[in-house]
Order: sequence, then C-alpha cells, then structure tokens
Amino acid sequence: GAVVSQHPSRVICKSGTSVKIECRSLDFQATTMFWYRQFPKKSLMLMATSNEGSKATYEQGVEKDKFLINHASLTLSTLTVTSAHPEDSSFYICSALPTSGSLSVAEQFFGPGTRLTVL
Amino acid sequence: AQSVTQPDIHITVSEGASLELRCNYSYGATPYLFWYVQSPGQGLQLLLKYFSGDTLVQGIKGFEAEFKRSQSSFNLRKPSVHWSDAAEYFCAVESSNTGKLIFGQGTTLQVKP
Repeated sequence: GAVVSQHPSRVICKSGTSVKIECRSLDFQATTMFWYRQFPKKSLMLMATSNEGSKATYEQGVEKDKFLINHASLTLSTLTVTSAHPEDSSFYICSALPTSGSLSVAEQFFGPGTRLTVL
Repeated sequence: AQSVTQPDIHITVSEGASLELRCNYSYGATPYLFWYVQSPGQGLQLLLKYFSGDTLVQGIKGFEAEFKRSQSSFNLRKPSVHWSDAAEYFCAVESSNTGKLIFGQGTTLQVKP
C-alpha cells in the first residue's frame, strides 16, 4: 500500500526558533499534498494545499509567513514553523494525493503526524 | 459553508456488540464522503468512501456506511466490534471537488471486554 512518512515524529523547541517538518510519499509520486493541524481531542483543520513546483495555497486564517511550505519534488513537502511560540504547539499531519489518480477520486494517504511542543 | 458534525464525542460499546457512529454533513451539491480511523502513532486510515451509486458502502475491517441524502447523514456501522476497533473515528466531506477534506470533530470509540 501507499505509505507516507513524516519526520520528525516528535520535536521540542524553544520559543522563537524555527522547526521543519518533512512529509514524504515513499512509494508513489504526489503532485498535491495537504497539511493539517490537529489540536488535542479536536478535529483536523486543513492549513494549506501544497503543490509541487508552485506556491502553496493557504486556508483562511493561516499565516503563510509563519507556516512556510515547500514542495520541491513529487515525493517531498516540508512545513517550516517559523519563530515558533507555545501556541503553535500541536499535532501536524500531512496527506499525499497520488499523481496518477484524479483529484477527488483518488484516495489521500496520511502521514503518522508530528508532535510539536514549543517551550 | 460546508461542515461535518459528529454528534457523539465518545462512545463505549462492549466487545461483540454492534456499533453505529453518526455523521451529518452540510453541503450544497452531491457530497463525496469519507470515514477515517486514527489509531495512536498511526496515520489516518480510510475505512470507506462514497462518491455515487449504491448508498450502502462496504469498507475495510467489516465496516459499512449508508448515505442518506434526505437526512444528510453518512453513519458508520459494524455488526460486531472487536477490541482492536478502539480508536478515533472521523467523518469527512470533500470540499467542492478540490481534494480538500473537511473533518468532523471525531468520535472516540472505547471497547469494553
């Protein structure tokens, strides 16, 4: 089956530093990847759509200068949380949409998530 | 605006009992609907999806869901739960043919031995 990995799985950083989270599709190519944020006991909230070779599309209310997304290849998207603050602490999840499938019909595959704690 | 509501935040059932998790959606057109399961340390796994056709959809792990347009519902069912089914379950609707998913709040399933 299709596998999506995220690295790191957990990260603790100091307030004011930046953290990069990687999302990789291991056995398929993904033109489109999505980044979600999940608060404790809460639903997943879509943050942005990451498209290979172009700028990410951010959802309303998500600061694009704070959450930098780069989708440099068909198997890798990165989310960088810049100048992190304690309120950025959360569980970040990515998903990848196989390039060979048509949008909205193909199944998205989710990574296991990254737990970010900002002290 | 599109939305998904899962009325039950937490459900406890005995092993072997039947299960129904509720999901209601708000969407202007024919929705694409999904049920996902999230276990600790693992990514969300797709249980089943509805795009069109037969309103009763079969999924993995013995789950099924029925799309009822008149009730704007897409409830998940399983005739006999196993202890390994304990997890977080999310209903989702796809937004306007974009691939973007709008998730419900989730239902935590606890299974009693």
